[in-house]
Amino acid sequence: QVQLQESGPGLVKPSQTLSLTCTVSGGSISSGSYYWSWIRQPAGKGLEWIGRIYTSGSTNYNPSLKSRVTISVDTSKNQFSLKLSSVTAADTAVYYCAREETILNWFDPWGQGTLVTVSS
Amino acid sequence: SYVLTQPPSVSVAPGQTARITCGGNNIGSKSVHWYQQKPGQAPVLVVYDDSDRPSGIPERFSGSNSGNTATLTISRVEAGDEADYYCQVWDSSSDHLVFGTGTKVTVL
Repeated sequence: QVQLQESGPGLVKPSQTLSLTCTVSGGSISSGSYYWSWIRQPAGKGLEWIGRIYTSGSTNYNPSLKSRVTISVDTSKNQFSLKLSSVTAADTAVYYCAREETILNWFDPWGQGTLVTVSS
Repeated sequence: SYVLTQPPSVSVAPGQTARITCGGNNIGSKSVHWYQQKPGQAPVLVVYDDSDRPSGIPERFSGSNSGNTATLTISRVEAGDEADYYCQVWDSSSDHLVFGTGTKVTVL
């Protein structure tokens, strides 16, 4: 079955850009009717949707993060990526990637998550 | 923006029924999905499209949605059901995906 795995630096300095990659295995990122999404969760807090991409390259972003977020896809590598610029301590969180069904928009499966800490 | 409100906590004895609500303006017109998240783990989809269960999810998990409230019901609660639960919808009016505030279910 499809599995997702996040990767990237666990520590980012304030004002720099957070970069994460999600590798999809067990299936092609180009097949089926799915979006590929990023969600984050600060420690002890709830889930926050960051944004999503379709394999055509079309994107949707959370309005509260839109000015700082870029999501891209590399179908040749079966990966999609997240860039979040000008980070602050408030961006410290566990970042998850997930597959999103396109019609009713549920997430399944999720990656295991990766902790990114913003600190100097 | 669209807001989904859940009770912070629900406590239930083993074998009893837990009901977790998710309140939102006219949420009955939307498709609601529910996730279970155990400590240190990624969320897992337990109910989608108001009341459907993914394969592998026990029948003890069920959902309903009407008016301004969606509900996740866990019947015959087990110790292993102790977790945080989140509801989620897509708000087409703002093209924005929204998660509920989350509910911690404690099994007494």
